[in-house]
Amino acid sequence: QQQVKQSPQSLIVQKGGISIINCAYENTAFDYFPWYQQFPGKGPALLIAIRPDVSEKKEGRFTISFNKSAKQFSLHIMDSQPGDSATYFCAASLGSNQAGTALIFGKGTTLSVSS
Amino acid sequence: GAGVSQSPRYKVAKRGQDVALRCDPISGHVSLFWYQQALGQGPEFLTYFQNEAQLDKSGLPSDRFFAERPEGSVSTLKIQRTQQEDSAVYLCASRFSGRVSGELFFGEGSRLTVL
Repeated sequence: QQQVKQSPQSLIVQKGGISIINCAYENTAFDYFPWYQQFPGKGPALLIAIRPDVSEKKEGRFTISFNKSAKQFSLHIMDSQPGDSATYFCAASLGSNQAGTALIFGKGTTLSVSS
Repeated sequence: GAGVSQSPRYKVAKRGQDVALRCDPISGHVSLFWYQQALGQGPEFLTYFQNEAQLDKSGLPSDRFFAERPEGSVSTLKIQRTQQEDSAVYLCASRFSGRVSGELFFGEGSRLTVL
């Protein structure tokens, strides 16, 4: 059973538009939800993360919205730029204050921003 | 170095050969993870080290996979008698602390192709 489900698989957005990627999770014990960005040939890099005690977190053009009751969270990229074209992964983990808990990743969304 | 370094970046092996993949984490990072990323998929957890102790190896797909970190810094992932299904990018990641909410830094990965 896939613990973190991500959609859409791919997304095309015009420059200046809003990109929205969604994730749903099963385990209500998850308490840390990061988003990672990966460019071809590179490793994933942390973009932004949220804990379940807040409903929204914003960093620059990137915002995470979190809905605990629906067990869903989403990434919004405002004013999308061609340089944002990459693969985005949501992830989740439990026991964020314990050592060694691994991140569980979604399958990824390939974002293309057209100029 | 400034980041997580992995070698080799590319490895082609004939089915049945043994391979060894090396990871140099960021200096001083306590936690080290290995992930496997199949083409078009998200990273999947393989194993976790805290210093030299392997605390979780639940993600290793078979007993052909073995990982070590004998001095608490450099880690090696070894795959014995490689099979075609082992073809993937193997990502190493490190984190300063044991706490999950600390940022996880990924290397660029080692791409293994088994013929």
